[in-house]
Amino acid sequence: DIQMTQSPSSLSASVGDRVNMTCRTSQSISNYLNWYQQKPGKAPKVLIYAASSLQSGVPSRFSGSGSGTDFTLTISNLQPEDFAPYYCQQSYSTPYTFGQGTKLEIK
Amino acid sequence: QITLKESGPTLVKPTQTLTLTCTFSGFSLSTRGVGVGWIRQPPGKALEWLALIYWDDDKRYSPSLKNRLTITKDTSKNQVVLTMTNMDPVDTATYYCAHVWNPMYEGDYHYMDVWGKGTTVTVSS
Repeated sequence: DIQMTQSPSSLSASVGDRVNMTCRTSQSISNYLNWYQQKPGKAPKVLIYAASSLQSGVPSRFSGSGSGTDFTLTISNLQPEDFAPYYCQQSYSTPYTFGQGTKLEIK
Repeated sequence: QITLKESGPTLVKPTQTLTLTCTFSGFSLSTRGVGVGWIRQPPGKALEWLALIYWDDDKRYSPSLKNRLTITKDTSKNQVVLTMTNMDPVDTATYYCAHVWNPMYEGDYHYMDVWGKGTTVTVSS
């Protein structure tokens, strides 16, 4: 199985900040990496697919980068509704594993 | 508008078989590139991918659960069914189904762009 390591596990920031969170995979996965946001009590929502493509309807303050084994999700100008857990997922090979999540909290 | 809804029992006993149904609308599971996946999330824990089925009946399973899972589709009813045998308390989780899009129509790459709200399953005697 491809192991997914997200860091940090939690992150404190303020409204208006810019934050980065990373996802590292145990083997190269090209750009087969998706990012999801999950608000409390809700289903996940895809933000970024194929490492850097912004899903339709997602604000442009979200961006993704990376390829191979190292990936980054960047959120610029944090808004109150952005404070939530974020998960990366690889779709390079089964099982299509998720990371353990980065919880973005208000400072 | 794509929507998906999970249904099934909220409580199952250890060793029983769980059957979950995903009923969807707004897309057809006979459209090239389309699939439906299942994902679960134990309370307070991370997401775990379970299985998916594509328009062409290609099925993918989590290897660690493969001998317990079966995924099937009924295109005429717009439903996908996931069965999981020999349930255990560690299988207690919220189970989600999701619309899968494979933009290359083959291979592994895909993403899940619309999810159901999830259904909570507790395994307890």
